[in-house]
Amino acid sequence: DADVTQTPRNRITKTGKRIMLECSQTKGHDRMYWYRQDPGLGLRLIYYSFDVKDINKGEISDGYSVSRQAQAKFSLSLESAIPNQTALYFCATSDGGQGMRDTQYFGPGTRLTVL
Amino acid sequence: AQSVTQLDSQVPVFEEAPVELRCNYSSSVSVYLFWYVQYPNQGLQLLLKYLSGSTLVESINGFEAEFNKSQTSFHLRKPSVHISDTAEYFCAVSRVGGGNKLTFGTGTQLKVEL
Repeated sequence: DADVTQTPRNRITKTGKRIMLECSQTKGHDRMYWYRQDPGLGLRLIYYSFDVKDINKGEISDGYSVSRQAQAKFSLSLESAIPNQTALYFCATSDGGQGMRDTQYFGPGTRLTVL
Repeated sequence: AQSVTQLDSQVPVFEEAPVELRCNYSSSVSVYLFWYVQYPNQGLQLLLKYLSGSTLVESINGFEAEFNKSQTSFHLRKPSVHISDTAEYFCAVSRVGGGNKLTFGTGTQLKVEL
């Protein structure tokens, strides 16, 4: 079984709709992250959480919100989706035990299309 | 702030040929350096990382990268590529003391041909 899972894997929605992307992990990691990947731009950090009560904005948080429901679950919401939020979204986790030297483990991604 | 530059967006190479994927970074403070690989329709996987110590780091599948502080580079090399190495490769940095936030380059698509 995959250690980091994302649902849905693909989603097509319309402008203005609210959408939630979910991430679950069985690795027992404290730290979780949300990234978006756009062709030619690499990955950019949206939000990150170092534990259930710790939520931090990344470099491109505008238009997004997150919820850390439990250590194992971290959800990303688009309150009112717009076409330029069309992208591939990745969730990642890390242990925190080595501090800033942690390896991040990525989920398989969610491909989101906003029409 | 840190930044990462991967100048080559695509690198075509024949099987069994050597390859070098270039990565340069910019930072005013010390950094940790990473290479991640993304196979088609999959998430990213860590390939190798430099934290400290020996400037040459190796992966289990024959890739190696050398940290060059004076040139602020962390190029990825493999002496003989295989078809299965076809993937997108991302260089990333995190600032020492910076909370484990990764800054990624734009990626290099390695296409290995017969």
